[in-house]
This record gives sequence, C-alpha cells and structure tokens, in this order.
Amino acid sequence: GAVVSQHPSWVICKSGTSVKIECRSLDFQATTMFWYRQFPKQSLMLMATSNEGSKATYEQGVEKDKFLINHASLTLSTLTVTSAHPEDSSFYICSGGGGLAGSTDTQYFGPGTRLTVL
Amino acid sequence: QQQVKQSPQSLIVQKGGISIINCAYENTAFDYFPWYQQFPGKGPALLIAIRPDVSEKKEGRFTISFNKSAKQFSLHIMDSQPGDSATYFCAASMEYGNKLVFGAGTILRVKS
Repeated sequence: GAVVSQHPSWVICKSGTSVKIECRSLDFQATTMFWYRQFPKQSLMLMATSNEGSKATYEQGVEKDKFLINHASLTLSTLTVTSAHPEDSSFYICSGGGGLAGSTDTQYFGPGTRLTVL
Repeated sequence: QQQVKQSPQSLIVQKGGISIINCAYENTAFDYFPWYQQFPGKGPALLIAIRPDVSEKKEGRFTISFNKSAKQFSLHIMDSQPGDSATYFCAASMEYGNKLVFGAGTILRVKS
C-alpha cells in the first residue's frame, strides 16, 4: 500500500521558536498533500491543502503566516510552525492523495508528529 | 451541509461480537466514503471505502453498508477482536478537490 512518512515523530521546543515538520510520500507521487491537526480525543481538523508547485489553500481560521506550508515536489511537503506558542501544541498529521497511489480520492496518512511547545 | 455525523461516540463490544458504527451526511455531492482506523499516537489508516453506486462492500471482517436515499453509511466489524480496539472515523469527499470531511470518531473497545 501507499506509505507516507513524517519527520520528526515528536518534537519539543521553546515558545517563540519555529519548528519544521516534513511529510514524504515514499512509494507514490502525491499530487495533493493535506495537513491536519488533532487534539486529544478529537477528530482531525484540516488545516490546509497543497498542490505541488503552488501555494497552499488554508482553511478558514488557520493563520497562513503562522503555519507555512511548502510542497516542493510530488513526494515532499513541509509544515513550518513559526513562533510557536503552547497553544500550538498538538498532533500534526499529513496525508497524500492522488498520483500512482490509486484513486485520486484516496488519502494516505502519515504517522503524525507530536509537537509540544514549552 | 459539509458535516458528517457519526455515532456512537464510544462502543464496547464483546470479543466475537459485531461492532456497528453509523454515519450520516447532508451534502449529496459527496461521492466517496472511506473509513479510517486510528490507534493512539498513530496516524489514521484507511480501512475500507465505498462509492454511492454500490450498497455494500466487504473486505475481510469489515463491511460498509451504504444507503444513498437515507444519506447514511455504516461500518460493520464482524467477529470483533481485542486488536480492533481503536478509534474509527468515517469521512466523505467530493471527487473534485479530494478534501475529506471527517466524522467525530467512535472509540471502540473490544472486551476479551
């Protein structure tokens, strides 16, 4: 099946610093990548959708200047949390869709990155 | 109209029993309905998915039942096992854009 990796799997940082999370599709080309955040015992909340080589589309209420998304290639997307604060602590999950993975509807999720901001 | 309503919030089933999770949607433009399984601290994994042109799809112990007129779909887990204990999410999307709308999730516990 289609595999998506994320790095790092967990990160602890100080308030005010920036953190970059990488999302890679390992065995398929993801024409579209999605970034979600998930709070404990809650559902996934879509933050943004990105297509390779173009600007990300952010969901309403998501600060684009705070959550910078870059989709540099068909296998790599990055999320940078700038000037992180404790309220940004969450589980961030990416997914890749389209390309050789099969149906363009299918999204394959990464293992997630646990961000803790002190 | 973009919501997917999922129930129950939590479910306890005896080993060997049938687990049933239900979802309902409003937007008739949705045409792809996947179910995801998530273990604590892990990303969701695609379990099974269905399109509106069929009323049922079965893969191993997992079956999706789809009722287009009622705008409802459900996941049935047959012969539930303790290893099935996880959170299950239903979702829906329109073909264009691929954006998934998720249900709130169901925490399943299978008692041995």
